[in-house]
Amino acid sequence: LAKTTQPISMDSYEGQEVNITCSHNNIATNDYITWYQQFPSQGPRFIIQGYKTKVTNEVASLFIPADRKSSTLSLPRVSLSDTAVYYCLVGDPWTNAGKSTFGDGTTLTVKP
Amino acid sequence: DVKVTQSSRYLVKRTGEKVFLECVQDMDHENMFWYRQDPGLGLRLIYFSYDVKMKEKGDIPEGYSVSREKKERFSLILESASTNQTSMYLCASSPLTGSQHFGDGTRLSIL
Repeated sequence: LAKTTQPISMDSYEGQEVNITCSHNNIATNDYITWYQQFPSQGPRFIIQGYKTKVTNEVASLFIPADRKSSTLSLPRVSLSDTAVYYCLVGDPWTNAGKSTFGDGTTLTVKP
Repeated sequence: DVKVTQSSRYLVKRTGEKVFLECVQDMDHENMFWYRQDPGLGLRLIYFSYDVKMKEKGDIPEGYSVSREKKERFSLILESASTNQTSMYLCASSPLTGSQHFGDGTRLSIL
């Protein structure tokens, strides 16, 4: 399973765009990249998933360069409620029952 | 909306006890997972199951076993609880190729 590396923590201010980068140098051909968000005392929640180039949904965008060795989660105009831990996962959803390895995550703190 | 329900939010047990953590999902998902989460160590996979009666070890299976007799229910068993198993335990389920849906966790303390 591909190992991921993320910054341990990041600070931002309300209204700013936040970009969290994840490194996954040994990503395999069939692996997808998935991001989860976790608030205190709750389980992680799916944010976005992608394979290559750019994916956008109502809460975030995911940018994946051509070599796929890294990816960037972009949160537009963050608010205080976006303060959470963000996890990047890499895994093949078609094998291993979608088993992926959670890294240590990035703790994002949004300040007023 | 998918619901993954863990039987207890908080649980206190004694060293040497046999402990059962229960998890139920209501979306007919094929896959189910058990993780533990500790400060500074992130989420670590204990076991996962891709079908009834099927299971595979995750990264830290030692001291744990699992049971999946019905598709919607996945149990984690601590055969003889020890203090180093004090942790937050998270259950998740997913369809064959979809994202994981998590419960809110069970905070287990072993005294």
